[in-house]
Formats: sequence, structure tokens, C-alpha cells
Amino acid sequence: SQKIEQNSEALNIQEGKTATLTCNYTNYSPAYLQWYRQDPGRGPVFLLLIRENEKEKRKERLKVTFDTTLKQSLFHITASQPADSATYLCALSPSGTYKYIFGTGTRLKVLA
Amino acid sequence: GAGVSQSPSNKVTEKGKDVELRCDPISGHTALYWYRQSLGQGLEFLIYFQGNSAPDKSGLPSDRFSAERTGGSVSTLTIQRTQQEDSAVYLCASSYMGDGYTFGSGTRLTVV
Repeated sequence: SQKIEQNSEALNIQEGKTATLTCNYTNYSPAYLQWYRQDPGRGPVFLLLIRENEKEKRKERLKVTFDTTLKQSLFHITASQPADSATYLCALSPSGTYKYIFGTGTRLKVLA
Repeated sequence: GAGVSQSPSNKVTEKGKDVELRCDPISGHTALYWYRQSLGQGLEFLIYFQGNSAPDKSGLPSDRFSAERTGGSVSTLTIQRTQQEDSAVYLCASSYMGDGYTFGSGTRLTVV
């Protein structure tokens, strides 16, 4: 069956460290993969999009990798801050259309 | 508008009643999506509109759910004969082509 897996356990890290979140998928061949941030009571906010032919994408303190062989994307936040605390969702486009399927998200808590 | 607007923000309804949820996307965005999110869960895809193409209704959980998008802009999600399991946050998003989604703040539906 098709699955998108993100660590359901919360990730706690110390301020200033690099946070690394994982998104694994099975039985998909996505053309695009996106990462979103969601705060409690709010809709998700788009962060980054990476295409299947791109290995890495960066935006300020954020970095996303996309390994289509391992069927995995890693999301890194460098020099993390308490304001980065949120739930992070990965989403993939299974058919190359603009429709995305979302993972359940990983809650990140950055400790001051 | 500046963002995706959803109304109402909260809706409490009695089991068996019909409800209508409204989404006003960003002007010029060609695609519109409906998802729902149950407490502590990921986003569940419901329906996707792309331009003048027939909508992708593959995520609608039953024939009690329907949606329309008028004039390529405003969308209404209708749930008939609501059940308690329909209680969730209903999120609407829009995008321009393959760009990241912009989500609204959602409608919290409670069926009592």
C-alpha cells in the first residue's frame, strides 16, 4: 500500500542545534515534494518545494534533500530557534499533478 | 484577496443537518483544494479543482459530500446529513499552477 511516514514522536532539540526531520514514502514515485509548517489552530504554511531531479534545495536556514532511490526526504533547520517550534508536514505529488498527499507531520520543539 | 478566506471559522451543527463551508481563494490561483484534518491527524485529501477541468473527487469519503467551484473562484463544500465522524477542521487551499499551496485558517466543524 502507499504510505508517507513521518516520525510521530515529537523531536526536542536545544536552541542553536540543527533539527533534522525525516519523510519516508513507499509505493509512490513523486515528481514533487513539499514541506509545510503548521502551528496549532492554523492552516499549514508552505516552506519549500523540491523536484525529483533536484537533490537539494535551500532557503535561508532551511535545507531539503530528496533521494528518490532511498524514497526519502530530509528537512533540516540550522541554528534552530524556539520560534521554529511547530509541526512540520511533508507532502508529495504522486502523479505529477498539483494534488498533494500529506504525511501526518512531526512536532518539533526547540528548547531555549 | 491577500489570502485564502474560509467561512465560517466555526460551525456547530446537529447530527443529520446539512452544512455548507465556503472558500474564497487567492485571485488568479488556478487550483483549489479541500482537505480535512481530524484532531491530531494528518491532512486527508477530499477534492481538487484545476481550471476548467473536471474536479478530482477521489478523496470524498461518501456521497454525502459534494463541492463546487463557481466561475473558477469561490468554492463551497457541502456535507449532507452530517454524522459525528464528520467533525474535523476543513481546510481549503489554492495554488497557482505547481507552486506551493496557500491554506486558509479552516472551518472547525462539530457535529453534536
